Amino acid sequence: DSGVTQTPKHLITATGQRVTLRCSPRSGDLSVYWYQQSLDQGLQFLIQYYNGEERAKGNILERFSAQQFPDLHSELNLSSLELGDSALYFCASSVDERGKNIQYFGAGTRLSVL
Amino acid sequence: GQSLEQPSEVTAVEGAIVQINCTYQTSGFYGLSWYQQHDGGAPTFLSYNGLDGLEETGRFSSFLSRSDSYGYLLLQELQMKDSASYFCAVTGSGGYNKLIFGAGTRLAVHP
Repeated sequence: DSGVTQTPKHLITATGQRVTLRCSPRSGDLSVYWYQQSLDQGLQFLIQYYNGEERAKGNILERFSAQQFPDLHSELNLSSLELGDSALYFCASSVDERGKNIQYFGAGTRLSVL
Repeated sequence: GQSLEQPSEVTAVEGAIVQINCTYQTSGFYGLSWYQQHDGGAPTFLSYNGLDGLEETGRFSSFLSRSDSYGYLLLQELQMKDSASYFCAVTGSGGYNKLIFGAGTRLAVHP
C-alpha cells in the first residue's frame, strides 16, 4: 500500500459527460501529480500541484482541469468526455529524500467512456 | 523537449540476468528513475540515479552516465514475479520534480 488513495477505482460513463477523480496523497506529501495511461501505453504526465498551487503542466487537454485543496487532496475533472479519454488515471505524491524524487502512486482510476 | 527510448520487450529465464537500457534527450537533467508496473497495477519506485555510477538495491541495480545520456536497470536472479513493465523516467529542468516517462519495457520471465 503506497499510502496514496484514489477514488473511484472504476468509472463507466458516456461520451459528453463530466467526471471527477479524487486523490488523497500520502501524509506529509505536498506535491500531487496526475498521469494518464492509455492501453499498453506509457504514463503521460498531466499536471502537478504543490501545496495548493499549480506547479507544472504536461499534455493536459483544455477539457481537463485539476485543483488541490487546503487539506492537500486533489481532484481531476474531465469534461466533454470522448471515447479516447478511456484510460487509467494515476495520481502520485512525492517526497524528496537526499535529492531523490520518489513518487508514490495510487492504485488508479480506470475510466471507460462508452 | 524531452524524450526517452527503451526497448519495448525483453524475455529472459528464471535465474538469469537482464539489462534494460534507457537513453534520453532532455533540455535539463536532474536524475533518472526506474519504476516497475505489474499488469493492472500501479507503478512502484525501484531506483534513482542523480549522479554517474551504479546504485544497488538487492537484486536490482541501476546505472547512469550523464555524459552519454544513458542509463540501465539490471535485474539479477530473475524470478517469475519480476515479469512486469519497467519504465525509466527523467526529472528535467524546471520540472518541480515532474517525471517524464519512457514508453516502458515489458519483461517476460519464463521458467
